[in-house]
Amino acid sequence: GQQLNQSPQSMFIQEGEDVSMNCTSSSIFNTWLWYKQEPGEGPVLLIALYKAGELTSNGRLTAQFGITRKDSFLNISASIPSDVGIYFCAGDSQGAQKLVFGQGTRLTINP
Amino acid sequence: ETGVTQSPTHLIKTRGQQVTLRCSSQSGHNTVSWYQQALGQGPQFIFQYYREEENGRGNFPPRFSGLQFPNYSSELNVNALELDDSALYLCASSQGQGGREQYFGPGTRLTVT
Repeated sequence: GQQLNQSPQSMFIQEGEDVSMNCTSSSIFNTWLWYKQEPGEGPVLLIALYKAGELTSNGRLTAQFGITRKDSFLNISASIPSDVGIYFCAGDSQGAQKLVFGQGTRLTINP
Repeated sequence: ETGVTQSPTHLIKTRGQQVTLRCSSQSGHNTVSWYQQALGQGPQFIFQYYREEENGRGNFPPRFSGLQFPNYSSELNVNALELDDSALYLCASSQGQGGREQYFGPGTRLTVT
């Protein structure tokens, strides 16, 4: 079945640093979504990408839909303590939003 | 605008029992998807309902079944519970059969002993 490889698995950074994480797939996706999940809660949608090459921002977050349609990237600039959480990429290749999720990147910030 | 809600929050069941989890979709959304999230893993797609019909299923056995009601709320039923069914069950709603943005509820934590 389809799998998404998300890296890194975890990150330990200082407050104020920029963060980069990525997601790759062995197959083509039509949609890429980035979610953040905090303990005891469901994933919260951060950014949605629909076209190859698309670059979209949401505040300090920027995500890109890779040209090959097999990868996506999420960057967080000037990290703050509330950025702590697990970030998931998710993709859909069937056009009906049956999402496939990555394993997540756990972000920890040292103040 | 009301977000996605799920009930109950937590549940403890014994192996072999049956369980029903409930989800109310975000207002204006007619598609509900269910996911299973094991500890330390990403969510895995179970199935999706659109206008009361199943609209796709992931790699889960038939003892996982669901319903969608005319008000677009949904139920997930799991029969003959196994220890490995212990997980966070997430419901997500979206608009339309091809609705691209799924919004998740807080989940139901199921523990099977």
